[in-house]
Amino acid sequence: EVQLVESGGGLVKPGGSLRLSCAASGFTFSVYSMNWVRQAPGKGLEWVSSISSSSSSINYADSLKGRFTVSRDNAKNSLYLQMNSLRAEDTAVYYCARDQSNYLEFDLWGQGTLVTVSS
Amino acid sequence: QSVLTQPPSVSAAPGQKVTISCSGSSSNIGNNYVSWYQQFPGTPPKLLIYDNNKRPSGIPDRFSGSKSATSATLAITGLQTGDEADYHCGTWDSSLSAVVFGGGTKLTVL
Repeated sequence: EVQLVESGGGLVKPGGSLRLSCAASGFTFSVYSMNWVRQAPGKGLEWVSSISSSSSSINYADSLKGRFTVSRDNAKNSLYLQMNSLRAEDTAVYYCARDQSNYLEFDLWGQGTLVTVSS
Repeated sequence: QSVLTQPPSVSAAPGQKVTISCSGSSSNIGNNYVSWYQQFPGTPPKLLIYDNNKRPSGIPDRFSGSKSATSATLAITGLQTGDEADYHCGTWDSSLSAVVFGGGTKLTVL
């Protein structure tokens, strides 16, 4: 089955760190660019980061630069998001999403993992 | 404040047609492909339209997309109660070097 499964979310205190993972299966992970998209409770979608198939091109939302780091391991069919210096406003469901054709159009999404930043 | 502007909500009766607008600028919609996503509560978004007006396999032709200058539109005909969901538009913004989304539109089928 073609799917993405996120893990690693949870409750973290402000200033803390968390590492999210996204396990891909059922398709050739290594040929696709991948992305993280988040959604705060009751809010719209917010793009977080993208990483090309070979990790040669990485982009971040301006508001997150310096705090979040995206990476991937094609041998393990996995995508990661290292989140540091977390703030209350980072509270959201984090989705990993596959870019179907390098036009940043996301044809496959995981179920999401909830990150809650609270003291 | 989202870079792309969508109406917060739209509504129409079953069987009718509804359109959802997505307004941007030359740095995003004006020069890049637009995609649309359908999202039911508690579930991830689902790709509905890509490359402005193409439908992924399995998406009914009741859903269509169009683009003109710096605005895009999602049209849904033959509305069904099962179409009640949130709809999001998205595109690349060349000035921001970022993917941008609209704030989402909640569709109610009366």
